[in-house]
Amino acid sequence: DVKVTQSSRYLVKRTGEKVFLECVQDMDHENMFWYRQDPGLGLRLIYFSYDVKMKEKGDIPEGYSVSREKKERFSLILESASTNQTSMYLCASSRGLGQAQPQHFGDGTRLSIL
Amino acid sequence: RKEVEQDPGPFNVPEGATVAFNCTYSNSASQSFFWYRQDCRKEPKLLMSVYSSGNEDGRFTAQLNRASQYISLLIRDSKLSDSATYLCVVKAAGGFKTIFGAGTRLFVKA
Repeated sequence: DVKVTQSSRYLVKRTGEKVFLECVQDMDHENMFWYRQDPGLGLRLIYFSYDVKMKEKGDIPEGYSVSREKKERFSLILESASTNQTSMYLCASSRGLGQAQPQHFGDGTRLSIL
Repeated sequence: RKEVEQDPGPFNVPEGATVAFNCTYSNSASQSFFWYRQDCRKEPKLLMSVYSSGNEDGRFTAQLNRASQYISLLIRDSKLSDSATYLCVVKAAGGFKTIFGAGTRLFVKA
């Protein structure tokens, strides 16, 4: 089974802090994704990566950056946390460029910015 | 218009009932389709892929109608454990863009 592990289930930070969310997958997947999920808005893509050191902006990249130094690890960085970044953050991975490859998700991180 | 639209529900059904969800998508170039299940405060989990000819997995049947640009999920003999939010997922051709619907909530009651 695919295992996607996010570093924290719950996290509380203060406005202005730099926040790091870590995600590791153990299936040698090429693609990795960061989403946020808010009530009524569904899943929204923040950034994704299709290879080591490669990154692409998703639909809502503002206020975020990412890092992918190793294939198995994809980090999301909130440069200066704000209260509107309080959300559930989900990391996902998928295999290659195949059209029929689904994404597999980590448990999620519930982030609260005070 | 949203790229992927689902009826948010909630659908309230008794155990043993048959329930169906539809999902419409706007991009005719979409190539891959999935249904995910998400339990309260948990991550989405893949329920099943949706193939052009339709496919079945136990009590679950998925259908694709390319002409009308919708996919459907049919659940037969509903169980209490089927209570969850069901997300429709559409992937465009030639890239990574994957669109998740906002989900349809299902409550199965005894």
